[in-house]
Amino acid sequence: SQQGEEDPQALSIQEGENATMNCSYKTSINNLQWYRQNSGRGLVHLILIRSNEREKHSGRLRVTLDTSKKSSSLLITASRAADTASYFCASSNDYKLSFGAGTTVTVRA
Amino acid sequence: DTGVSQDPRHKITKRGQNVTFRCDPISEHNRLYWYRQTLGQGPEFLTYFQNEAQLEKSRLLSDRFSAERPKGSFSTLEIQRTEQGDSAMYLCASSFRGGEEAFFGQGTRLTVV
Repeated sequence: SQQGEEDPQALSIQEGENATMNCSYKTSINNLQWYRQNSGRGLVHLILIRSNEREKHSGRLRVTLDTSKKSSSLLITASRAADTASYFCASSNDYKLSFGAGTTVTVRA
Repeated sequence: DTGVSQDPRHKITKRGQNVTFRCDPISEHNRLYWYRQTLGQGPEFLTYFQNEAQLEKSRLLSDRFSAERPKGSFSTLEIQRTEQGDSAMYLCASSFRGGEEAFFGQGTRLTVV
């Protein structure tokens, strides 16, 4: 069973717009990670935010973490067609990652 | 290529047959994980190894499934007496330490007919 949920399940935006997706998780964490998956391929790590951090940036990515609400958000700014993919959050304890069901993002040219 | 590699990429098998998948992690990584992913879902944890020791198995891993990591290097995942419900993408990942960034292979897509 999935340990978290992403919202929305699917998102369609125009190239150049921002994409925001949210994630909720159930248990206490050491960190929370976001991954991207292109259709039928493996997952690629995007960004990791530790439980004592509230916000982190990496290039066009901005991640927030609210441990009191057990939630996180991923913002992709100035989206490109190449950002079309599924995005997964993964809550991490000492030994494993627990993934949500993902948000499918489609960026229209 | 020094990433995680999985073999084969695709496997079609008849119901009842046994299959074995191989994963070669990044060489300096101690942790190795197996996940299963079905269409439209996120990866579900199956099992993980710290070096050669298998430290946890999900209840998803029925007695038809077995995983090994001899000498703490590559790992194999075997499914015996495959069922149609075993059809999925099987993903392997490795990390230097538990809970840190994981590097995933491209997966093995299993289709049981």
